[in-house]
Amino acid sequence: DTGVSQNPRHKITKRGQNVTFRCDPISEHNRLYWYRQTLGQGPEFLTYFQNEAQLEKSRLLSDRFSAERPKGSFSTLEIQRTEQGDSAMYLCASSLGGDQETQYFGPGTRLLVL
Amino acid sequence: GEDVEQSLFLSVREGDSSVINCTYTDSSSTYLYWYKQEPGAGLQLLTYIFSNMDMKQDQRLTVLLNKKDKHLSLRIADTQTGDSAIYFCAYYVDSNYQLIWGAGTKLIIKP
Repeated sequence: DTGVSQNPRHKITKRGQNVTFRCDPISEHNRLYWYRQTLGQGPEFLTYFQNEAQLEKSRLLSDRFSAERPKGSFSTLEIQRTEQGDSAMYLCASSLGGDQETQYFGPGTRLLVL
Repeated sequence: GEDVEQSLFLSVREGDSSVINCTYTDSSSTYLYWYKQEPGAGLQLLTYIFSNMDMKQDQRLTVLLNKKDKHLSLRIADTQTGDSAIYFCAYYVDSNYQLIWGAGTKLIIKP
C-alpha cells in the first residue's frame, strides 16, 4: 500500500493522559500536514512540515500539542494532558510540493478523551 | 478573511445529476479541490482545478470555477448510491500552506 497510513486508528484515553499518533506519508512526498476534524465540520489545519522543518503552526495548536518529523519521513503528533475537547479525528496528509500541491489523506486517528 | 460556504445537504434521485456548490472568499488561491468522505473513512481526493481554469471534466465529474463570483461547483452525472457521502470544497492558501475547508455537503441519494 503506497498511500498515507496512520496509527493507531482509534484511541480512547482518560483526561490528563498523554497520547501520541503516528503518520507515514507517501514515500516521495516532502510535505506533511496535520489536521483535526470534529463531527459536522471540515478539517482544521494544525501544522505543516517541509521535510523535517516545521514551517507553519496554527493558532489552534496549544502548548499541549507538539509535532515532529525528525528524519523528514514519518511524523508524530503528541497531545499532553489531554482534555475532553481534544476528542476529534486527527488527519494526516502529504503532498509532493512544488507544482503538485495536491494533498492525499490518511484514514485518520479517532481520539476519544473520557 | 478565509471562509468557505457550502449547503449542508443535497438530495437527488438515483440516475439524476447532482450539483454541489461552494463559495469562497480568498481570490488568491491557486488550487481548489473537491474531496469525498464516506462514513468512518478518510478524505478521498476527487478532483482539483487550477485557478486559471474555468472547467475541468473527469469521467462523471465536472468542476466549474467562476473566479469573478468566487464560486466553485461539482457536478456528478448519473448519480449512483455509491456516491452517497459528504463532499468537501477546499482551497489552498499559498502564503501559509493551509487548506481551508467548507463544512461539507451531505449527498443523499433517493431510489
